[in-house]
This record gives sequence, structure tokens and C-alpha cells, in this order.
Amino acid sequence: NAGVTQTPKFQVLKTGQSMTLQCAQDMNHEYMSWYRQDPGMGLRLIHYSVGAGITDQGEVPNGYNVSRSTTEDFPLRLLSAAPSQTSVYFCASMHLGQGREKGSDGYTFGSGTRLTVV
Amino acid sequence: RKEVEQDPGPFNVPEGATVAFNCTYSNSASQSFFWYRQDCRKEPKLLMSVYSSGNEDGRFTAQLNRASQYISLLIRDSKLSDSATYLCVVKSGGSNYKLTFGKGTLLTVNP
Repeated sequence: NAGVTQTPKFQVLKTGQSMTLQCAQDMNHEYMSWYRQDPGMGLRLIHYSVGAGITDQGEVPNGYNVSRSTTEDFPLRLLSAAPSQTSVYFCASMHLGQGREKGSDGYTFGSGTRLTVV
Repeated sequence: RKEVEQDPGPFNVPEGATVAFNCTYSNSASQSFFWYRQDCRKEPKLLMSVYSSGNEDGRFTAQLNRASQYISLLIRDSKLSDSATYLCVVKSGGSNYKLTFGKGTLLTVNP
């Protein structure tokens, strides 16, 4: 099925460990992004990319790295996990041309990764 | 001021009630506006776009007031299945691809 695939769905890390959250889409979307969602905070943008080789910071980038070597994949790396990074992480993608049409949103979200850092 | 602010909720209403959600945004250059619905432990999903002329989809009506920078969502004849968190979302005019989310308002419809 076409869409955005996130792995893993659940993860528990110890403080200081590193890991990579995977995100892949098969819709040839140029734009990909990572959000985190905390209770009472809504979704906050971490990093985004408008195409292969191009990444930029969102609202809350500290503690996270990203890369975009292919159109399909946009992994999110935690270099040294901290309890403050306990959250639900969503990856979303969009075709940029579609996003300019009136009323069109075009965002497809992955099902999320629940990360707990202890 | 937060870029997108919503009623904090939560809202608890009986089946059949009419419920209204309100949202304000701070960036006057914002161009696109949406309501998303998020079920517990699920990803957000687009409910409807919001236009200045107002738009209706069955029991749902969305309205945008650009002068007041205000967005609303009205749900009539609420159903148990409407129970979810409703997110007000604004797409900034400069980039037209980055979404800014409100914190969401939890709605529980009771039998």
C-alpha cells in the first residue's frame, strides 16, 4: 500500500543511547518532515526536507539530526537520547506541487513511533 | 503569542449536541487553514479545509475570518464516533508546505 512507513512503532532507550527512527514514502513526494507530539503541546516541527540533499531545521531541532540521501527516505537520528525526548514522533510527506492548490493539503502522515527514554 | 491557539477543552457533550471549536492564528500572512482530527494513539488526519466563504461537509461546518484571524469548526448532531482530538492547523504563507498545529481540543461525545 502506498503511504508513509515509520519504523519502529515502539522503542525504549536508555539515556545516552543513540538510535535512528526510519521514515520511508513511496509516493515520490519532495517534501518530508518530522514532528514530535507531547501531551498538551500539539505537534511541533523538528526537521524538514524539500528534496534529496536538502534539509532544514524546524521549531525544535536540538538533539536531532536528519539526512535526505534519497527521495524516499528521511531518517531521524537521536545522537544521545535524553528523557526529554520521550514523545510520539510522526513523519509526514507531501508533493510540493499539490500543496499549492487551493484547499489542498496533501500531507500523508506515518502511523507514528512511540519513544520512551529512561 | 502562540502562532496557533485553540480552546483548551476538553469538551464533554451528549450525543446529538452541537459543539463549536475556536482557533486564532497570529501570522496575518498565513494562506491555508485546516482542521485535522486525531484519534487516540493515531496519526492526525485531514478533516476539512477552511475557506473565507465557509464550507460544509455533512454535519461539519468550517469558517475563516481573516480580519479577526479566527477559524471555527461546528459539529452538529454529534455522534459517539466524533470523539477525538480536533487540531487547528495553519500553513504559513512564506513556504506553503510547513504546517503549524494548535495544541488540539479533546472532544468526548457521551451516550
